[in-house]
Amino acid sequence: KQEVTQIPAALSVPEGENLVLNCSFTDSAIYNLQWFRQDPGKGLTSLLLIQSSQREQTSGRLNASLDKSSGRSTLYIAASQPGDSATYLCAVRYGQNFVFGPGTRLSVLP
Amino acid sequence: SQTIHQWPATLVQPVGSPLSLECTVEGTSNPNLYWYRQAAGRGLQLLFYSIGIGQISSEVPQNLSASRPQDRQFILSSKKLLLSDSGFYLCAWSVSGWGASGYTFGSGTRLTVV
Repeated sequence: KQEVTQIPAALSVPEGENLVLNCSFTDSAIYNLQWFRQDPGKGLTSLLLIQSSQREQTSGRLNASLDKSSGRSTLYIAASQPGDSATYLCAVRYGQNFVFGPGTRLSVLP
Repeated sequence: SQTIHQWPATLVQPVGSPLSLECTVEGTSNPNLYWYRQAAGRGLQLLFYSIGIGQISSEVPQNLSASRPQDRQFILSSKKLLLSDSGFYLCAWSVSGWGASGYTFGSGTRLTVV
């Protein structure tokens, strides 16, 4: 069964810290992996999309890496800000569908 | 550019009433379309997906149904709502086929069944 897990479930850090969110998947036969951000009561906003052939993607203060063989991806957030507070989800594409992780709830304290 | 529209944004319905949520995509053709539900404090649950007009795959047995009457229109329906149908419903699309596209989500519909 294809499963996606995320660690930690919740994280609280002071403003300015660098942090890493983790995503693990059981089936390495993926097409791509996507990181999303969800603010309370809102839809999902795509942050980064990594294809199975890629090792990392960067956008501003965000960097996502992918190690397909070990079934892991990390989302690195540099110099965190209170506006980064949200739930972060990873989604792994298998064929036509995606499997989502449960998310990491991030709080950045001013 | 491609856009996805989902409405209504919020909905309060009594138990036993019907439901119709609509999602449309603009700026692309033959997209894959998806309906997800997110219950309070829980993860995303795939309800239905469609790879073409009239082609619907159901992932979870329930009293909901989906239809795709047009290429870029996806509708989620119920004949009689249950309290357990409350949640946040999200529509999404991706490029068709077995390619490298990611998901793009709509803004969601908050459904409360009372």
